Amino acid sequence: ETGVTQSPTHLIKTRGQQVTLRCSSQSGHNTVSWYQQALGQGPQFIFQYYREEENGRGNFPPRFSGLQFPNYSSELNVNALELDDSALYLCASSLGPGGHTGELFFGEGSRLTVL
Amino acid sequence: KNEVEQSPQNLTAQEGEFITINCSYSVGISALHWLQQHPGGGIVSLFMLSSGKKKHGRLIATINIQEKHSSLHITASHPRDSAVYICAVRSRGVGGNKLVFGAGTILRVKS
Repeated sequence: ETGVTQSPTHLIKTRGQQVTLRCSSQSGHNTVSWYQQALGQGPQFIFQYYREEENGRGNFPPRFSGLQFPNYSSELNVNALELDDSALYLCASSLGPGGHTGELFFGEGSRLTVL
Repeated sequence: KNEVEQSPQNLTAQEGEFITINCSYSVGISALHWLQQHPGGGIVSLFMLSSGKKKHGRLIATINIQEKHSSLHITASHPRDSAVYICAVRSRGVGGNKLVFGAGTILRVKS
């Protein structure tokens, strides 16, 4: 067990709705990153937060937004849901944002279905 | 061409065989991760490398920075090693720090 917890584990939404996914990082980790994994594909990097600031972003539109709180937990918000947003959303925490300190510890994921 | 390429895409082995999974990348990196994903979604980090070689039990990971290539080896493979193995590289680009994933290698070890 990695100490990274995500909620909810499963949820169903309809097109146009908004969703908030939550991630509690491992104790002492100040960096959280979020990933989208569509069925049968590899994960895609959404963004990374380090000490409450976004410090890296992949090719996702602005309706994907996030927050990191002072306790380093994080939220992923997706507005105006589309069918293609159906995926497993994974978060990972690490001690730091860069290469030498960034060993990743993943949560079990939140599976989102958009109808 | 993807920034991170893995081979093979699919691999079936007999129990006990030595297995190699390869990863090539085309960007400058600060670290490379090898990840394992079982059915159901959970991802486990196996290794983080920035140079040289690391060993953990029956798993060995190597990286050649000059050639932009990494390999994951499994010795004495076992059916419980069946999973998807994913290579991911950490780089710094226009958007800041980012992680780019390979498509994964589906490994099946038969008893």
